[in-house]
Amino acid sequence: AQTVTQSQPEMSVQEAETVTLSCTYDTSESDYYLFWYKQPPSRQMILVIRQEAYKQQNATENRFSVNFQKAAKSFSLKISDSQLGDAAMYFCAYRNDMDSSYKLIFGSGTRLLVRP
Amino acid sequence: DTAVSQTPKYLVTQMGNDKSIKCEQNLGHDTMYWYKQDSKKFLKIMFSYNNKELIINETVPNRFSPKSPDKAHLNLHINSLELGDSAVYFCASRAGTAYGYTFGSGTRLTVV
Repeated sequence: AQTVTQSQPEMSVQEAETVTLSCTYDTSESDYYLFWYKQPPSRQMILVIRQEAYKQQNATENRFSVNFQKAAKSFSLKISDSQLGDAAMYFCAYRNDMDSSYKLIFGSGTRLLVRP
Repeated sequence: DTAVSQTPKYLVTQMGNDKSIKCEQNLGHDTMYWYKQDSKKFLKIMFSYNNKELIINETVPNRFSPKSPDKAHLNLHINSLELGDSAVYFCASRAGTAYGYTFGSGTRLTVV
């Protein structure tokens, strides 16, 4: 079974500093996508960044970037120049593109606190 | 212009009641989902519909019945509500395979 593990229940970062959130996954598939979603207190699920498994280049979206290590099945999220608005739950998610449902499998989440 | 809208946002009801949650997307997506987020924030797929056809039913009790009258709507009906059904229920839709998912703002269901 495919699983996603986020081993950090909570992380804290000083405003303007950099923080890295960890995610590992388990799969025997070669064709898949990985995602990071942000869930602020408003409850809304917001897509932060996505990565296609066959692309070696790490995805980047402004202050957000990933470190995708396919062999190690690791997909960490780096947030640079942290802002107060980055405080939220962050979920790592996996999608098997050989599964016709294209459902997302989520990790348990990491709560990010940003200290002013 | 909400892309994926769920109603109601909050629902408090007694055990044993029947309730429905509605979801509508105006994005033209073919596939819609229901996810459940429990009290520990864990998100799990419940159902998936593609063009009104059921694709996934992830070992959800029969008391939960999704209905998709057209590809823009996916409603969730729950019979005989139990305390353990208390959770946040998210509707989501998806465009093509290269894209992520657009989530609704969730419905917090509290069964008392």
